[in-house]
Formats: sequence, C-alpha cells, structure tokens
Amino acid sequence: NAGVTQTPKFQVLKTGQSMTLQCAQDMNHEYMSWYRQDPGMGLRLIHYSVGAGITDQGEVPNGYNVSRSTTEDFPLRLLSAAPSQTSVYFCASSYAGGDYEQYFGPGTRLTVT
Amino acid sequence: GQQLNQSPQSMFIQEGEDVSMNCTSSSIFNTWLWYKQDPGEGPVLLIALYKAGELTSNGRLTAQFGITRKDSFLNISASIPSDVGIYFCAALTGNQFYFGTGTSLTVIP
Repeated sequence: NAGVTQTPKFQVLKTGQSMTLQCAQDMNHEYMSWYRQDPGMGLRLIHYSVGAGITDQGEVPNGYNVSRSTTEDFPLRLLSAAPSQTSVYFCASSYAGGDYEQYFGPGTRLTVT
Repeated sequence: GQQLNQSPQSMFIQEGEDVSMNCTSSSIFNTWLWYKQDPGEGPVLLIALYKAGELTSNGRLTAQFGITRKDSFLNISASIPSDVGIYFCAALTGNQFYFGTGTSLTVIP
C-alpha cells in the first residue's frame, strides 16, 4: 500500500492563479480531510469528507473548494490564490469519521507571491 | 473555533532526561490524541485516549486524558536523540479534529 499520497510536493503560484492539490489513498478509508499548517498555529482543518459525495467545512474553509467523487481521491482547489494561502497543506485519511487513527500524507508546500 | 493551548512551546533537554508537555482547552472533548511530526513529514499518531482519567503508555511515552475532559498531558521518559521533533496534541469532537500549536523538542546528546 502506498498509504496517503499528495502531489505536488512544492508549488509556487502568483496571486489570482488557480490550482488543485491532489490527494489519494489506497486504504479504502471513508474519511478524508485537508489541513493547513502555519508556523505557531498547529494544523487547522480546512474541509473534510466522510465518504464519496459528502463533504463538509472545517475550521478554515474560505478560499478552498473540495469534492469527493471517489473513495480514493480528495482534491483541494484554490480558485484564486492569495498570499494568505501560503502554507504547508496536509491530507489525511482514516477508516471512518470520528476514527482517531488518521494517516497523513507527506504534505504540499505552497507559496503564493 | 475550538482552541487547544499547548505548552511549552519548545524544550531543550539533555539526553536521558524526562519530558513533560500538556494541552488544555476551554471545551470538553471525547478523544485526545498525541502526534509527533518529523521535519518535512506529516504527523504520526503516538497515543490515543478515549476515557476521562485514562492513562496509556506506549514504550517510553505515557499520556493521560484529564478527568475534566478539557486537558491531556504527555510524558517521555529517558529521552533519546530520535525523540527530536514537534509534538502535537489533538482532540476530536464529532468528525472534526483540532490540533494544538505544538511543542518543539530538542535533545542534546
């Protein structure tokens, strides 16, 4: 099993550009989530999904969109990047919603200039 | 949103010393978790706690779920160089996880 994979590992965007951060897992996990990690802030939940076709907002959802068309994939979209979205983004998955054992991907470091 | 206050923010200790860090919140949680993050990687789960007052060990790590359900602590005994990293507490309510701000641990050989 590859676990949770994220692409790209690094990305630089200009303000106003759009892009999609990819996340995939091969563990047949129902629950997937996206976090951003900023210095001194810990990890903050952006969006999460408890299964294909179901998504919900986390703590900091503004400026981000998600969809969950398959169990395996949970892409995060930035429609119009802003410098405030410069961060490290982590995708995570677990067997079910409310299941403590989240597995994290390696992260995507995004810089918006 | 929920806020988890984690302390200390950083620690510099000698190899062999014990370490203690804690996490507090104004909210009640049903599950407390402790993660470790190495540079350039995602967090990895160390210990999960499900019941108020629960004390759980994992090798040299011991964690407790506070009786009020608003706090948790993590102890590391006899630290070794590979304990270096950032330790995060996290708490779960419903389907949402909340993370503390992290404790950066440096172990001096």
